[in-house]
Amino acid sequence: DAGVIQSPRHEVTEMGQEVTLRCKPISGHNSLFWYRQTMMRGLELLIYFNNNVPIDDSGMPEDRFSAKMPNASFSTLKIQPSEPRDSAVYFCASSRQGNLGDTQYFGPGTRLTVL
Amino acid sequence: GQQVMQIPQYQHVQEGEDFTTYCNSSTTLSNIQWYKQRPGGHPVFLIQLVKSGEVKKQKRLTFQFGEAKKNSSLHITATQTTDVGTYFCADPGSSNTGKLIFGQGTTLQVKP
Repeated sequence: DAGVIQSPRHEVTEMGQEVTLRCKPISGHNSLFWYRQTMMRGLELLIYFNNNVPIDDSGMPEDRFSAKMPNASFSTLKIQPSEPRDSAVYFCASSRQGNLGDTQYFGPGTRLTVL
Repeated sequence: GQQVMQIPQYQHVQEGEDFTTYCNSSTTLSNIQWYKQRPGGHPVFLIQLVKSGEVKKQKRLTFQFGEAKKNSSLHITATQTTDVGTYFCADPGSSNTGKLIFGQGTTLQVKP
C-alpha cells in the first residue's frame, strides 16, 4: 500500500508568489489533516477534513492560506501571497474514519522556503 | 485551550543509558498516542494507550498511562543511536473527529 503522498518535496519561492502544496491520502481513508512544523511553534494543525468537508480551519494562520479537498484522493494547501515567515515543513496526514483514537499516517512533508 | 505539556524538551544521553519523556495534561485524557519523528523525517505512530494505568512494551520501549489518565510516559532502556529523534505525545481531545493535539515533543540525542 502506498502511504500518504505529498508534492513537491521541496519548494523554494520568492516572497509574494503563490505556493500550492499537494497531498494524496491513503486510499480508503476518510480524514485528512494539514500540519505546519517549525522550530519555534512545533507541529501545528492547520485544517482537517472529514469525507472531503472542512471540519475545523481554526489553525489556518490568516486569509493568505486556503485548503481544498475536491475529492477523496486529493487535497491542496495554497498560500497566496507567500511570506518568509511561511517557511516551514508542511505535513499532510490521513486517518481511516476520523474517529476518536484513530491513528494518523503522515506524508513525507513539503519543505517550503520563502525568500 | 487544551494542550499536553512534554518534558524535557531536549535530552542528550550516552549510548546505553536510559531515557524517559513525560507528557502531562491538566484535563483527563480519553486516550493518548505516541509518535516518533526521525531527523528529516515525518511523525510515525508508535502506540496508543486507552486504559487507566495501562503499560505497554515494544522491545526496549515502555509506555505508561497514569492512573488518573492525566499523564503518560515513554521510557527507553539502554538507548541506541537508532533511537535518535523527536518523540511526541498526542491528545485526541474531546471531539470525536480524529483530531490530535500534539505536545511540543522531546528531542533525543544519543552519543555513541
